[in-house]
Amino acid sequence: GQQLNQSPQSMFIQEGEDVSMNCTSSSIFNTWLWYKQDPGEGPVLLIALYKAGELTSNGRLTAQFGITRKDSFLNISASIPSDVGIYFCAGQSWDSNYQLIWGAGTKLIIKP
Amino acid sequence: AAGVIQSPRHLIKEKRETATLKCYPIPRHDTVYWYQQGPGQDPQFLISFYEKMQSDKGSIPDRFSAQQFSDYHSELNMSSLELGDSALYFCASSLVGDIGRYNEQFFGPGTRLTVL
Repeated sequence: GQQLNQSPQSMFIQEGEDVSMNCTSSSIFNTWLWYKQDPGEGPVLLIALYKAGELTSNGRLTAQFGITRKDSFLNISASIPSDVGIYFCAGQSWDSNYQLIWGAGTKLIIKP
Repeated sequence: AAGVIQSPRHLIKEKRETATLKCYPIPRHDTVYWYQQGPGQDPQFLISFYEKMQSDKGSIPDRFSAQQFSDYHSELNMSSLELGDSALYFCASSLVGDIGRYNEQFFGPGTRLTVL
């Protein structure tokens, strides 16, 4: 079925570095959501985006809804150890009846 | 703030047995979703309920069924369990009636099902 292209698949970074990840779709979405999931836990909603061009921050996290409505990015500034986990993007299009289409996830690993 | 509650958190079953997972959505939320997540995978949508009526169906096997009750809690019933059913099962809830935030799905902690 329809899927989002999320990249990178994994990232190895130093503590304090900035992180950037993105998702792209071949079709137009009207909602983008970014989630973080720790091992064995449920995904936690970080940021929700509803308007093309919208730029939203949540602490050190910033996400944008692309102008074309086909992409979104998530930035994390000054990473800290608790940022480790898997980040998922999820989108919803007009014809998906509130179903979320998920990216494959970006695994963030912080080098000691 | 109240979150989505799922029970049990862990469940071990034998092949061909049945299992029932329970979900209690965030109070006032009108929609419940069930997801299955295998190791290293993104959540796979199974089924959803809006105001106690089935609203959408994803990749849910015929061996599984679900319902939402009058108090809005939901149960996922799984029969004739197979080894491949071992996974994390998540319930999420949202307030679809909230025009500004209708797509914000909030997830529970999950039930880890192991089929031996």
